[in-house]
Amino acid sequence: KAGVTQTPRYLIKTRGQQVTLSCSPISGHRSVSWYQQTPGQGLQFLFEYFSETQRNKGNFPGRFSGRQFSNSRSEMNVSTLELGDSALYLCASSHSDGNSGANVLTFGAGSRLTVL
Amino acid sequence: AQKITQTQPGMFVQEKEAVTLDCTYDTSDQSYGLFWYKQPSSGEMIFLIYQGSYDEQNATEGRYSLNFQKARKSANLVISASQLGDSAMYFCAMREGLSSYGKLTFGQGTILTVHP
Repeated sequence: KAGVTQTPRYLIKTRGQQVTLSCSPISGHRSVSWYQQTPGQGLQFLFEYFSETQRNKGNFPGRFSGRQFSNSRSEMNVSTLELGDSALYLCASSHSDGNSGANVLTFGAGSRLTVL
Repeated sequence: AQKITQTQPGMFVQEKEAVTLDCTYDTSDQSYGLFWYKQPSSGEMIFLIYQGSYDEQNATEGRYSLNFQKARKSANLVISASQLGDSAMYFCAMREGLSSYGKLTFGQGTILTVHP
């Protein structure tokens, strides 16, 4: 079974530009979540989508947006990029762990964004 | 207020020895879940172990066990028989409530270095 796939893996943008990141969840997973990871703030929740609906949103400005398609693939967009948006953006899809029965997040390898 | 606290920025352990990574949490929810993830230098987050707030027994997964002390609100990860491949960043995380599977709150992480 393929894991969570994120594209692109690396990208460089300049301030003021916008960026779109893509995430394909594990087949059959309907929930997709996005996280931002920076050295200063750590891992922070951005938003969660389930069946094309945003179910939860973190404390980020409106420049950060996302969407989910009918095939569960998700995209996140950051407009008017700032230097502080440089980060590793992680996507995760959720499933039930076979051993514990808990709903567990499986993460992709991330998209590393550098804003110059 | 910080909801997940990992007080050890870095830990060192000798190969084949056991190590405990500390995690304390804060929540007013009765239902919550606690997770540990490992992040190698490649960046991908790897799920290790889960403990539900109503689970009476400590969770175990191979060489990983979770020392859950509910009254003290601690969920320490114990790695037995450390291996060189265990060198990585380790994150403790919490999900509050029964809904919104995708939203986890993470601690700042502990860098574990295993010496040969």
